[in-house]
Amino acid sequence: GQQLNQSPQSMFIQEGEDVSMNCTSSSIFNTWLWYKQDPGEGPVLLIALYKAGELTSNGRLTAQFGITRKDSFLNISASIPSDVGIYFCAGHPPLAGNDMRFGAGTRLTVKP
Amino acid sequence: GAVVSQHPSRVICKSGTSVKIECRSLDFQATTMFWYRQFPKQSLMLMATSNEGSKATYEQGVEKDKFLINHASLTLSTLTVTSAHPEDSSFYICSARGWGTSGFSSYNEQFFGPGTRLTVL
Repeated sequence: GQQLNQSPQSMFIQEGEDVSMNCTSSSIFNTWLWYKQDPGEGPVLLIALYKAGELTSNGRLTAQFGITRKDSFLNISASIPSDVGIYFCAGHPPLAGNDMRFGAGTRLTVKP
Repeated sequence: GAVVSQHPSRVICKSGTSVKIECRSLDFQATTMFWYRQFPKQSLMLMATSNEGSKATYEQGVEKDKFLINHASLTLSTLTVTSAHPEDSSFYICSARGWGTSGFSSYNEQFFGPGTRLTVL
């Protein structure tokens, strides 16, 4: 139903490379958010998207709210070692009230 | 703005004891707070949602008598794990959304605390 499928599960990249991860759902979402979680810490909001087709950047990060409202991607350009962490997508389905659904996360490792 | 704190950051307790975790919104009024549980290498699992001044809404499978939630003020929510057992060991994270004094609204965005690592021996 309103599950978020996040891929890939993990990525091992070289410093300087670009990264792309995405989330898809079989049903529509009203908002998409991308969070990063460092080990032993709570997630930190990176980018919030509110409209279908919206493309937003935050430094080296770019995220888009898919036109169909069923997907979103996050790109990281020119990765650096401190980009290491787990990236979660999250979203609000319609009529869900307070409920926000989370993807399973993408674990990013950056080799110097 | 939008800072959420949690206390304690780590707690180790004996089986059968109760543990209270505090979640505070430091610079905004949190009309809604959420409590999550996270197992190693897994995503966040929503346990309950609490609105200030009313009873918490628990997700299916979460025992309300086991995980007591109080949201008595607009800046504080507490989660008490009663009669803790080793299987309750986990990373507990709160999040909050609400309004700041400058008119900032986080209705659609949740801001997370740093988490509390609970270990029950």
